[in-house]
Amino acid sequence: KQEVTQIPAALSVPEGENLVLNCSFTDSAIYNLQWFRQDPGKGLTSLLLIQSSQREQTSGRLNASLDKSSGRSTLYIAASQPGDSATYLCAVDTGRRALTFGSGTRLQVQP
Amino acid sequence: GAGVSQSPSNKVTEKGKDVELRCDPISGHTALYWYRQSLGQGLEFLIYFQGNSAPDKSGLPSDRFSAERTGGSVSTLTIQRTQQEDSAVYLCASSHTQGNEKLFFGSGTQLSVL
Repeated sequence: KQEVTQIPAALSVPEGENLVLNCSFTDSAIYNLQWFRQDPGKGLTSLLLIQSSQREQTSGRLNASLDKSSGRSTLYIAASQPGDSATYLCAVDTGRRALTFGSGTRLQVQP
Repeated sequence: GAGVSQSPSNKVTEKGKDVELRCDPISGHTALYWYRQSLGQGLEFLIYFQGNSAPDKSGLPSDRFSAERTGGSVSTLTIQRTQQEDSAVYLCASSHTQGNEKLFFGSGTQLSVL
């Protein structure tokens, strides 16, 4: 059974810092991995999707990497801003028609 | 519509009552998912629809839960004889096809069972 773990569970940083969020998964047979953002009381917004054949994806200040063999992904946020404060979730697609989600990292960027 | 729409946004009900939650996916999206997010827990898969194929109901927690998707578009999740442990945010998502596609989520329905 696929299990997804995210570390740390919570993170507080001053504005302007670069930061890394970690995601690990137990079964490396995945189709893709997605990083989502969830704001309080809102749904999830897909940030980046990395196919199993890819090593990384970039969007603006966000960069996500994937090491399938070791079962790890990282989300790098450059020059963090207070507006980045949210919960970040990673999810893997193993072809079971349903994504398996981690419990998320709650990020607070202090102005 | 511009995004996935869910209604109601909040629902308070008494234990034992039935509730219906609605999801209107993005136009043209053939795949539709229901997830549940309980306080302090990750997202739990409930059910998946793809086009006219039989739905994948493997995530439904009990036979009190059911869902249908009419005309390949709007979906309704029904919970019968609600229990307090059903209290959660119910999230709907859609994608253009199943597999290797970004999921687009609605804002969810916050269900509170008293």
